[in-house]
Amino acid sequence: KQEVTQIPAALSVPEGENLVLNCSFTDSAIYNLQWFRQDPGKGLTSLLLIQSSQREQTSGRLNASLDKSSGRSTLYIAASQPGDSATYLCATSGSRLTFGEGTQLTVNP
Amino acid sequence: GAVVSQHPSWVICKSGTSVKIECRSLDFQATTMFWYRQFPKQSLMLMATSNEGSKATYEQGVEKDKFLINHASLTLSTLTVTSAHPEDSSFYICSARPSPGTDTQYFGPGTRLTVL
Repeated sequence: KQEVTQIPAALSVPEGENLVLNCSFTDSAIYNLQWFRQDPGKGLTSLLLIQSSQREQTSGRLNASLDKSSGRSTLYIAASQPGDSATYLCATSGSRLTFGEGTQLTVNP
Repeated sequence: GAVVSQHPSWVICKSGTSVKIECRSLDFQATTMFWYRQFPKQSLMLMATSNEGSKATYEQGVEKDKFLINHASLTLSTLTVTSAHPEDSSFYICSARPSPGTDTQYFGPGTRLTVL
């Protein structure tokens, strides 16, 4: 059974800082890995999807990497802004999506 | 494109009543829809997978008689929480997959259920 873990559970940084969110998974037999953003009381917004054959994906200030062999992915956020404050979830796709518990990010002005 | 809506966005009901939540794919047809539940400060847990025109597949530990799922058309799935109790209070999120063989799921905005 796939298990997805995210570290840290919460992170508070000053505006402008670069930061890294970590995601690890136990079963490397995945189709892809996704990073989502969830604002309080809202649904999910897909940020990046990395296919199992890929090493990384970039979108604006976001860069996600994937190392299947070690069961790890990182989400790098450059020049963080207060509007980046949200919970970030990673999820692996196998027979179903398996989510981590998320990292709650607060970017302070 | 690829918008999924949920209705209602929030609902408060008395214990023992039933609540229906709708999930609609607005601009695409979804052969498969998924229902998730999220408790405060926890992640999304898959409850069931529904394919249009067939019975839903429930995850272990999810009572199919309590959480009734109907996927009668390619754009609509409903989740009915029967005889709701306070422990059923949660955030329910649906997602829709446009076609089989793809991994992409589009998520709805969620429905906050509070059972008094």
